[in-house]
Amino acid sequence: QKEVEQNSGPLSVPEGAIASLNCTYSDRGSQSFFWYRQYSGKSPELIMFIYSNGDKEDGRFTAQLNKASQYVSLLIRDSQPSDSATYLCAVKRGSTLGRLYFGRGTQLTVWP
Amino acid sequence: DTGVSQDPRHKITKRGQNVTFRCDPISEHNRLYWYRQTLGQGPEFLTYFQNEAQLEKSRLLSDRFSAERPKGSFSTLEIQRTEQGDSAMYLCASIMTGGETQYFGPGTRLLVL
Repeated sequence: QKEVEQNSGPLSVPEGAIASLNCTYSDRGSQSFFWYRQYSGKSPELIMFIYSNGDKEDGRFTAQLNKASQYVSLLIRDSQPSDSATYLCAVKRGSTLGRLYFGRGTQLTVWP
Repeated sequence: DTGVSQDPRHKITKRGQNVTFRCDPISEHNRLYWYRQTLGQGPEFLTYFQNEAQLEKSRLLSDRFSAERPKGSFSTLEIQRTEQGDSAMYLCASIMTGGETQYFGPGTRLLVL
């Protein structure tokens, strides 16, 4: 079982819709959870992180964490074509020196 | 631009050659990570420095790979006797102690022919 699992997609939504991206992780000791966006050929850029159960909102983005289910999600409201990218879920475990474990990413396409 | 810089941005080399990459983290960040990303995969951890001390190495880091951070500022990653399987994007990230967020540099894309 991989540390972090994501549906690789591709996920395709129309402009203005809500895009929902999901991630599960295997280590119950995981502490912090990150969503990065990666455009083709570019490096990952942080969207947001969450470490408490529940929802965390930042503009059009909402991260949701359920530690009991070992599940993290990212909702993108009012999706824009510029949101088209690969979204990487990353987890920091409690037992490591801060390194991140990444999923393989979900490719999102927002069509106009 | 996160403030983390990497050089070169692209490198093409022949199998068997040695290559060296450089990472300059954000100046007040004392923790530095190297990751490798192949096509269709997420980044995979290679090694971690706190100041000049290399505190963790992945088993992905074979003995052909070596990394240094001699003065606790910039870091280098060297690959000796490159193989085609080393072709990947090499990413550097930095974070300050107590911080939560790793900031990635633009990456060095390596192609081994």
